[in-house]
Amino acid sequence: EAGVAQSPRYKIIEKRQSVAFWCNPISGHATLYWYQQILGQGPKLLIQFQNNGVVDDSQLPKDRFSAERLKGVDSTLKIQPAKLEDSAVYLCASSFSYRVSTDTQYFGPGTRLTVL
Amino acid sequence: KQEVTQIPAALSVPEGENLVLNCSFTDSAIYNLQWFRQDPGKGLTSLLLIQSSQREQTSGRLNASLDKSSGRSTLYIAASQPGDSATYLCAVEDNYGQNFVFGPGTRLSVLP
Repeated sequence: EAGVAQSPRYKIIEKRQSVAFWCNPISGHATLYWYQQILGQGPKLLIQFQNNGVVDDSQLPKDRFSAERLKGVDSTLKIQPAKLEDSAVYLCASSFSYRVSTDTQYFGPGTRLTVL
Repeated sequence: KQEVTQIPAALSVPEGENLVLNCSFTDSAIYNLQWFRQDPGKGLTSLLLIQSSQREQTSGRLNASLDKSSGRSTLYIAASQPGDSATYLCAVEDNYGQNFVFGPGTRLSVLP
């Protein structure tokens, strides 16, 4: 079974530039998550999709971050414009179903973003 | 607002030791609790998931316990091996809005 795919793996940009990350979840997984992990901290949930609908985006900085999941499969996360404090690893995860207490999340390798 | 803490932040032990990692959370109204492992430069791998109605889960040399009333979980690793070296994170899912909150992790080094 193929895992969660993310690209690019690394990205270096200057502040005020734009950047986009791509995620392809495990086939058949309805729920998709984007997390931000700053060095030395645990991941922070940015947005959660159930199929192509948003379940939770309460911690997404909507003035600069946007995300979409067209057709309920792949997803993109965009930052425009980037700030220095956006330097982090962006993790994508997926799970088979929604609100099933025994269901676990499968994580991709992440995209390491450095903003100069 | 749920807050998750983990103690210790880092731990270094010789191979073969049994060890305990601790996780605390402030709101006991949780849906489940998971322990994850994160290797450098990689994503997270789920180790154990404990539903709110359960008290513990076991997988091989790993045992995780959950005490909801006191807001605590422990991860016990028996007979540690160098391959266990990684960062271990706990995460809770609350009852209110499908909100996953992670702790900062414990960085474990098992020395050969």
